[in-house]
Parts: sequence; C-alpha cells; structure tokens
Amino acid sequence: DTGVSQNPRHKITKRGQNVTFRCDPISEHNRLYWYRQTLGQGPEFLTYFQNEAQLEKSRLLSDRFSAERPKGSFSTLEIQRTEQGDSAMYLCASSTPREVLARSSDTQYFGPGTRLTVL
Amino acid sequence: TQLLEQSPQFLSIQEGENLTVYCNSSSVFSSLQWYRQEPGEGPVLLVTVVTGGEVKKLKRLTFQFGDARKDSSLHITAAQPGDTGLYLCAPRDDKIIFGKGTRLHILP
Repeated sequence: DTGVSQNPRHKITKRGQNVTFRCDPISEHNRLYWYRQTLGQGPEFLTYFQNEAQLEKSRLLSDRFSAERPKGSFSTLEIQRTEQGDSAMYLCASSTPREVLARSSDTQYFGPGTRLTVL
Repeated sequence: TQLLEQSPQFLSIQEGENLTVYCNSSSVFSSLQWYRQEPGEGPVLLVTVVTGGEVKKLKRLTFQFGDARKDSSLHITAAQPGDTGLYLCAPRDDKIIFGKGTRLHILP
C-alpha cells in the first residue's frame, strides 16, 4: 500500500454514460498525476496538478475528459459520454511534500488504479 | 517525445533461472527509472540510475545504465515467483513517459 487510494477499483458502464473516479493522494503531497494504461501498454500521462492548479494536460485528454482538484487534496477524473476506447486502467500518483514549493521529478507513488470497462 | 523500447516484451522462465531485460533508446537521458507493476496494482519505483555506467543492486536485481546514457538493463539472479510482474523503464520526469514494458512470469 503506497498511501494513494483510488475509488472505485472497478467500474463497468454502458457506452454514452458519464463516469467519475476519485483519487486520494498521500496527504503530505502537493502534486497529483493521472495516467491511463491500456492492455499491453505502459501507463500514459494524462494530466497533473500542483495543489489545486492543473499545470499540464496531454493531448490524450479529449474534451470529454475533465479533472479537478478543488481544494488541493483529492482529485476527480470525469469522462463524459464514454466510448469503448475509454476502457482502460486509470492510475493516479502523487509526489512532492507540501513544504517544497517547486521541485520537479520527485518519486511518484501510484495508487492501485480504477479499471474502467465500457460496454 | 523520447521513445523507449523494452525487450523482450514477454518472458516466461523457471524459478531459479537468471534473466536480463533491456531498455533502449536513440536519445540520451539524464536519468532513467525502473518500475515493477504487479497485476491489479500501480507501478512501484525500484531504482533511479543517473551516471553513465552506473550499476545499482537491489537484492537479486542488478540495474545498469549504459555508458552513453541511452540504454539500461535489469538482470535478475535466481528468479523467484515473486518477481513476476510488468517491468517498466522511463526517463525521470514530472510526466513519466513509460516504455511498453517487459511482462515477466516466473514459473514455480
């Protein structure tokens, strides 16, 4: 257990439905990352936050995807109008102690992921 | 985007055997990281290599960074079933760009 939790662990939905996933990072960390992992691939970067600010978004994050971290603690990732191609494992990671204002490339601690299946 | 190629993609060997997996690129990296991901879990960082030619050991795992800092290898001695998992390499960065990984299965 890395201290990063994700809920739900599994989600099955029908095409066209909206889904929301939650990530609770290590409480001392100010950076939070989302990745997507499809079968046979390594995780792909989607977006990351420093506190409540979303600093970067991958081109993989289409308009149907939105991520928030309103109070700089937990984060949610919402997918609207899901498609079968959205089926994947969605991983969250956190890094960098809060007392460190700006430091790059700290070790990222990953949660167990949410596995999404779109039927 | 720095493209990392990992080989082999899949490896299934008997418990007790030795193995080596590779991470190669045409780009030079300031540092490289190795992760292991077990089924149903997220990746866990094993090691970061920084200096060309550097060798780091983690129990039965030996990691080497190429002299030119373009490649790396992971050697496992006397593999155990607990070594089973997906081994990923990636340059150290805020937005980690992973290779596809080597899926290792150790048969008891």
